[in-house]
Amino acid sequence: DVKVTQSSRYLVKRTGEKVFLECVQDMDHENMFWYRQDPGLGLRLIYFSYDVKMKEKGDIPEGYSVSREKKERFSLILESASTNQTSMYLCASRLAGGTDTQYFGPGTRLTVL
Amino acid sequence: GEDVEQSLFLSVREGDSSVINCTYTDSSSTYLYWYKQEPGAGLQLLTYIFSNMDMKQDQRLTVLLNKKDKHLSLRIADTQTGDSAIYFCAESNYGQNFVFGPGTRLSVLP
Repeated sequence: DVKVTQSSRYLVKRTGEKVFLECVQDMDHENMFWYRQDPGLGLRLIYFSYDVKMKEKGDIPEGYSVSREKKERFSLILESASTNQTSMYLCASRLAGGTDTQYFGPGTRLTVL
Repeated sequence: GEDVEQSLFLSVREGDSSVINCTYTDSSSTYLYWYKQEPGAGLQLLTYIFSNMDMKQDQRLTVLLNKKDKHLSLRIADTQTGDSAIYFCAESNYGQNFVFGPGTRLSVLP
């Protein structure tokens, strides 16, 4: 059974703080993704990683960076949080090369004050 | 770029059928998915259909695909209060480049 976990369910930070969101998957998946979800906009891809130490920008990478030092862990970093980054952040993983779907974590609701 | 559209809200009465519609623009889509998101949770895959299929049925769920019109629908028979959630349509090309719709919030009224 695939499990994707995220370090926090709820997080409150102040403007200008550095924020780390952690995602861990236990199925040896090569591909990992970070999305943000906003009402009426659906899921928008921030960054994804095909494999360890590899990263690609998604549709809305501005204000974010990522780190993939180990296969099971994909971190999203907000270098200087701003109020417009208040959102639900969803991590997902999938097996590379096949037609498998993405498996999602429970999400982290980040509020930036 | 590719786009996936859905209506944002749907209300039905308990016991009725729900039909959630989705349109997409990418003609090279090979897989189309329906995900369910319950309050405070991540997305859970409900079902998917390969683009060479017209229909797929799985218990109370029926997926219809009209590839010519790029239209996908999800029918939930005998809708229950536990079906209240946000339903996302998504498409991909052989598992790459997932594009999600905005989600349809289904409210089931007693």
